[in-house]
Amino acid sequence: DGGITQSPKYLFRKEGQNVTLSCEQNLNHDAMYWYRQDPGQGLRLIYYSQIVNDFQKGDIAEGYSVSREKKESFPLTVTSAQKNPTAFYLCASSLDRWRGLGGELFFGEGSRLTVL
Amino acid sequence: GENVEQHPSTLSVQEGDSAVIKCTYSDSASNYFPWYKQELGKRPQLIIDIRSNVGEKKDQRIAVTLNKTAKHFSLHITETQPEDSAVYFCAASLGRTGGFKTIFGAGTRLFVKA
Repeated sequence: DGGITQSPKYLFRKEGQNVTLSCEQNLNHDAMYWYRQDPGQGLRLIYYSQIVNDFQKGDIAEGYSVSREKKESFPLTVTSAQKNPTAFYLCASSLDRWRGLGGELFFGEGSRLTVL
Repeated sequence: GENVEQHPSTLSVQEGDSAVIKCTYSDSASNYFPWYKQELGKRPQLIIDIRSNVGEKKDQRIAVTLNKTAKHFSLHITETQPEDSAVYFCAASLGRTGGFKTIFGAGTRLFVKA
């Protein structure tokens, strides 16, 4: 089955620890995204990447880091510098190409991070 | 920066009535406007989208309208059913260095009462 897979589904972390959320897609999509979802605030963009070895900050990138070493993978690290990391994290991908047009986002099932 | 505002935050309708959700966007360079539905505990999924060169699009009971001049776009659901109950997100997408940014509204929680 083609799709986008996030792991782990649930994660608990102690304050001061870094944690990495995995996102893998086998849709052959060029672009990948990380969003954070908090109640009443919709989806806020953390980082996005159009091609391998390139990524851009979104609106709330502080305290997060990403890498894009492979087209299929876009892991997100929540660092200890993120002041309020408890949230639901959604990864997405899309078949954007250099056409000047946006496209549908396909989301993973999400990872819920709780900081104890 | 780019911003998308969505209203109302909560909407309750009787089964069979229509529901309308409205959004405004700030960046006139936005060229793609999708709507996503998120059922409880599930991932958001696209239900309809519209591009900036089109004013209206319909798909069965769902329609979207776009007013580029006013930077407004709306979702219309007719003959609502209980299974339409969910959170709906509007979004605006625009090209930026390094890719496309899709900015979401805060969401509308729709309740359809049987």
